[in-house]
Amino acid sequence: GQNIDQPTEMTATEGAIVQINCTYQTSGFNGLFWYQQHAGEAPTFLSYNVLDGLEEKGRFSSFLSRSKGYSYLLLKELQMKDSASYLCAVELTGANNLFFGTGTRLTVIP
Amino acid sequence: DSGVTQTPKHLITATGQRVTLRCSPRSGDLSVYWYQQSLDQGLQFLIQYYNGEERAKGNILERFSAQQFPDLHSELNLSSLELGDSALYFCASSAPGAGANVLTFGAGSRLTVL
Repeated sequence: GQNIDQPTEMTATEGAIVQINCTYQTSGFNGLFWYQQHAGEAPTFLSYNVLDGLEEKGRFSSFLSRSKGYSYLLLKELQMKDSASYLCAVELTGANNLFFGTGTRLTVIP
Repeated sequence: DSGVTQTPKHLITATGQRVTLRCSPRSGDLSVYWYQQSLDQGLQFLIQYYNGEERAKGNILERFSAQQFPDLHSELNLSSLELGDSALYFCASSAPGAGANVLTFGAGSRLTVL
């Protein structure tokens, strides 16, 4: 079976840095995605990692270690609008869809 | 606006009824995916179509069916509805070709079964 683990909830302060971890155990792995989802809205694509290492995109960075089955999303200079759920998803080998974790609900406080 | 259009946005119906959710993918995208998101649950993959053909199937109930039409829009049919079918149903589309299979999601259809 497939399994993705993420913390259910996190709270961080405006202007700070927060790291959201994701571990996965899957039968096959093509790449790992992070999506942002505001309450009641559509998930929107943030980042994609296929090779080990860090991918930086503005205030957001994502890291992958394939050997450890581990990824994290790093959010810097947090803003109130970053309050949302962050979904970790794995693209499985030979599959044409993404397997999603249940997401981490981040609350940014003043 | 993501370019993926879903209708209706909201739907309230009774148990035992049947509903149809509609999705138009982004221009140029050939793949359509359907996901279900229940309260406090992750996105559950239901089914995928590519250029009119079923490509992959997830945990889709037998009471649910879908199809993709020649103009690439897709419909998800939910029948004999139960209370537990209340959820957000998302459609997503992706572009053909190599590279990251980035899914672009529509705004979702919120189904409430009473």
